[in-house]
Parts: sequence; structure tokens; C-alpha cells
Amino acid sequence: AQSVTQPDIHITVSEGASLELRCNYSYGATPYLFWYVQSPGQGLQLLLKYFSGDTLVQGIKGFEAEFKRSQSSFNLRKPSVHWSDAAEYFCAVGAVAGNMLTFGGGTRLMVKP
Amino acid sequence: DTAVSQTPKYLVTQMGNDKSIKCEQNLGHDTMYWYKQDSKKFLKIMFSYNNKELIINETVPNRFSPKSPDKAHLNLHINSLELGDSAVYFCATSQDIGNSPLHFGNGTRLTVT
Repeated sequence: AQSVTQPDIHITVSEGASLELRCNYSYGATPYLFWYVQSPGQGLQLLLKYFSGDTLVQGIKGFEAEFKRSQSSFNLRKPSVHWSDAAEYFCAVGAVAGNMLTFGGGTRLMVKP
Repeated sequence: DTAVSQTPKYLVTQMGNDKSIKCEQNLGHDTMYWYKQDSKKFLKIMFSYNNKELIINETVPNRFSPKSPDKAHLNLHINSLELGDSAVYFCATSQDIGNSPLHFGNGTRLTVT
């Protein structure tokens, strides 16, 4: 069975600092990997996805993520965080066939002025 | 024009009542889903419909019954509400049953008293 672990429940960074949110997955075949962001009172919005090819993927809002098969990781990064990035971030893994996404528990990002 | 819209946004009701949550999409997507997000932000799929047919039915009590009158709508009816049903319920869509990204509604916060 597939699973996703986001080790950090909360992260606080200063505005302008760099950010890395960790995601580790467990899946027996080639994973389809996603990062979603949830602002308060909102639904989830797709930031980026990895299906195949280049292991460094670019997303919206200046985010990127790197797929590392050897580490079963798909960490999300941003070079310079803005106050508007404060939100809940979810990593998800999907089956090769079918859209049964399994979500991680989320990481709440807080941004200090 | 909201792509995935859910109504109501908030729903407060007493134990034992029956309630429905509606979801409508104008994206022309074939697949629609219901997800449940608990108080710890854990997100879990409940149902998936593809072209009005049930594809995924996770371990959900049969008090929960989804209904898809057409491709653009997927409603969730809940009978005999229990305290543990309190959560945020998200409707989502995807272009197809494969791993195309999910588009989420803004959620319905259900509180059972």
C-alpha cells in the first residue's frame, strides 16, 4: 500500500528566507507525486507534479520540487519565501493507474515578518 | 466563475439528522471525488465517480451515499449523522481517471452537535 510522510507538522521561516518542506513516500512502482497548498478556508490547489522525466520540477508561485528515487523523497523548495506563502502544504502520491491519491498529513508553514 | 463549487460552505446540525452537500463543476471533467479532512488535517478519499459511475468506494459507512445525476454534479447525502462525522468535506474533479491533477472545491465544514 502506498503511504506519504511529511515529517514536519509545523515550520516557521522568516520572510525572504529559503524553504524546504520534506516529503517521503512508500510505493512499490513508479510513483506519481504531487504537492498541493491549502490556504485557510480554501480547497487544495496544485503547486506541481512529477510523472516522469526531469527529476526537478517547477511549479507555480516560484516553487520547485526534486524527486529522489534513492531516498524515496519529493521535497518542496522555494528560494525566498513571501508572507503570502503561509498555508498548509500537502504532498501526495498516486498509483500508476487510477487516481487514488494518498495524502501526507500536511505541513503548516508560518512566515515571520 | 468558480470551477468546483460546493454548497453549503458551513453546515451545523444535530446528531441523527440527514443532510446533503452539493457539488457542481464547470470544467467538463469526467471524474469527481469526495474527500474528508479531519480535525488533524488528514485528507482521505471517500468516493470517486467517473462519468456518473462509482469507481472508488473506500471504507465509508453506508450512511454516506453519493449521487451523481449528471457528469457535472456529485452530491453527498449523509443519514443519521454522528459526532464523528464532523469534518471538512471536499469535492474534487480531475480530467480523467488517470493521474491528472485534482481541482478542489472550497470545502464544506460539517459540525454535528
